[in-house]
Order: sequence, then structure tokens, then C-alpha cells
Amino acid sequence: DIQLTQSPSFLSASLGDRVTITCRPSQGISSYLAWYQQKPGKAPNLLIYAASTLQSGVPSRFSGSGSGTEFTLTITSLQPEDFATYYCQQHKSYPFTFGQGTRLEIK
Amino acid sequence: EVQLVESGGGLVQPGGSLRLSCAAAGFTFSDHYMDWVRQAPGKGLEWVGRIRDKAHSYTTEYAASVTGRFTISRDDSRTSMYLQMNSLKSEDAAVYFCTRVRATTYYGSYSDYWGQGTLVTVSS
Repeated sequence: DIQLTQSPSFLSASLGDRVTITCRPSQGISSYLAWYQQKPGKAPNLLIYAASTLQSGVPSRFSGSGSGTEFTLTITSLQPEDFATYYCQQHKSYPFTFGQGTRLEIK
Repeated sequence: EVQLVESGGGLVQPGGSLRLSCAAAGFTFSDHYMDWVRQAPGKGLEWVGRIRDKAHSYTTEYAASVTGRFTISRDDSRTSMYLQMNSLKSEDAAVYFCTRVRATTYYGSYSDYWGQGTLVTVSS
């Protein structure tokens, strides 16, 4: 199975900050990576697919980059609604594993 | 508007069985693969399995942790997907989400819509 390691696991930031979350697969996955946002008690919401393609309706302050074995999710100018947990998921090979999550909290 | 509504969760004893349902609306259900993903209380997301569409013979994939115990099926006429869970263990306790899969030629296949989930509790 492909293991995904997200860093950091916890991130404290202020409104207006720029933050970056990293996801590192245990083996190369080309660009088969998605990013999801999850708020407490809610279902995850797709932000990015194919490593860097913004899902329709997602604000442009979210962006993704990377390929192979290193990927990043960047959020510029943090808004109150961005404080949530973020997960990466590889969809290169079964089982489609997730990273352990990054919890983003208000400083 | 895409809607996915899970049902069938509840309390079950270890070793017991439960069948979850996912009712879909707002899109052509028969054209899509569908996934189940679960989340244990306070934990991260775990992919459970997938069922493909009729064009791909409704074939399935499963996580190793559920292989041989869980079965995914679908009924396109009812626009519904099911998860039959047998020999349940305490570690199967989780919120179970159904997801619609967008399968593409160049971008792979990923979950683009999620239901709100149904809670399964495994306890004696």
C-alpha cells in the first residue's frame, strides 16, 4: 500500500496568513493526488484533484502543486472558514489511502 | 444538485451484520463509480472500497481491513449503493460516507461528492 505522510499534523495560523501543507507518498504517484477539507461533524469537501486542478466552486486562494513523491496545498490569505482539517488522498493505486490529516487552527 | 444520503447505521454487537444504503439523486447514477469511506471517532479518513459501473461489470475493490467481510453492491434502477458488513469488529465502528467518483482518462478517479455519513457503533 502507498503510505501518505502529511506535515505538519497541526498548524496554528492567523487570519490573512499564507500556509502550506505537505503530503509525501511512500512511492511515486505521478499527479494522482486529491486534497479535501473537512469541518467538524461534516463530510469532506473536494478542493483539488490531479494535484493542482481546482475543483469548481473552490476559492482561488487554494492551490495545489507537486508530482511524484511531494505535493503541497497552499492557502493564501486565510479566511475564518478555512480553519478545518485537510487530507490528501492518492488515487494512483488501490487501496486509495489518505494522509493522516492536518488540523489548521486559529492562532 | 448532487445528493447522497446514507442510512442503515446503528448499534450492532461484535460479530454481527449490518447493511448500509446510499441513495443518490441529481446525477446519472449508472454512469459513475461509487466509493465508501469511513472515519472512526476522532480519527482520519479510511477508504473502504469501490464499485464500478455496468460498463466495467460492476467490479469491486476493497481495503485489506474489510476484504472477505464487507461487500459493496448497487442497484442502478434504484440509484442506490449498498455496503453489507458482516463479522463486525470494534475497529469497524465509524461514520461511513458514500462518495460519487469522477473517473477521468487523464486525471484518474477521485471522490467529488460526499454524503453526510451514517454512524456505525460496534459494541456489546
